[in-house]
Amino acid sequence: GESVGLHLPTLSVQEGDNSIINCAYSNSASDYFIWYKQESGKGPQFIIDIRSNMDKRQGQRVTVLLNKTVKHLSLQIAATQPGDSAVYFCAENESGYSTLTFGKGTMLLVSP
Amino acid sequence: DAGVIQSPRHEVTEMGQEVTLRCKPISGHNSLFWYRQTMMRGLELLIYFNNNVPIDDSGMPEDRFSAKMPNASFSTLKIQPSEPRDSAVYFCASSLMGNEAFFGQGTRLTVV
Repeated sequence: GESVGLHLPTLSVQEGDNSIINCAYSNSASDYFIWYKQESGKGPQFIIDIRSNMDKRQGQRVTVLLNKTVKHLSLQIAATQPGDSAVYFCAENESGYSTLTFGKGTMLLVSP
Repeated sequence: DAGVIQSPRHEVTEMGQEVTLRCKPISGHNSLFWYRQTMMRGLELLIYFNNNVPIDDSGMPEDRFSAKMPNASFSTLKIQPSEPRDSAVYFCASSLMGNEAFFGQGTRLTVV
């Protein structure tokens, strides 16, 4: 029979463009958020995190924005490169709990 | 540190056979997680340990699945008997005190 898989949202960009990947979370008590990158055949890799006492945090070429009012998280990648092509997951955590809850992921495709 | 180490990287087994997946977490981390990733369901938490003690195994699909953590540097996930629907990539991850989880490279399990 036909297999039905997750239909990941896909963002296609050109090399050099800026990319914005969005994530909505549901638990208003979550106070720690992480973005992971997963390349084909590899495990998720930590990119950047943010705690709820901040609304913006910057890393190298990446920026995470947190809007607690609407429970929204975004990852901005500046000057996107072909090596950025991967699936990106947001994850949330509530203080006192060790587990992370992962979103479904967004596939980023970067064309040279 | 070499990161989270999983073995084997690939496992192909026949239906009904016992499968054991192994994980060595990052030294000093006190939380260990087993995840399963499939196209259908994405990344699912199966079980997690805190200080070698299983805290939440509500994600374990059924009694055929079991996990142990005999010491701080080793964990196993066992499936007995295995079924074709268990085919997936199984990830182990570890973290310290609820901070970001670091993932291993995963074990790709195929049950035929």
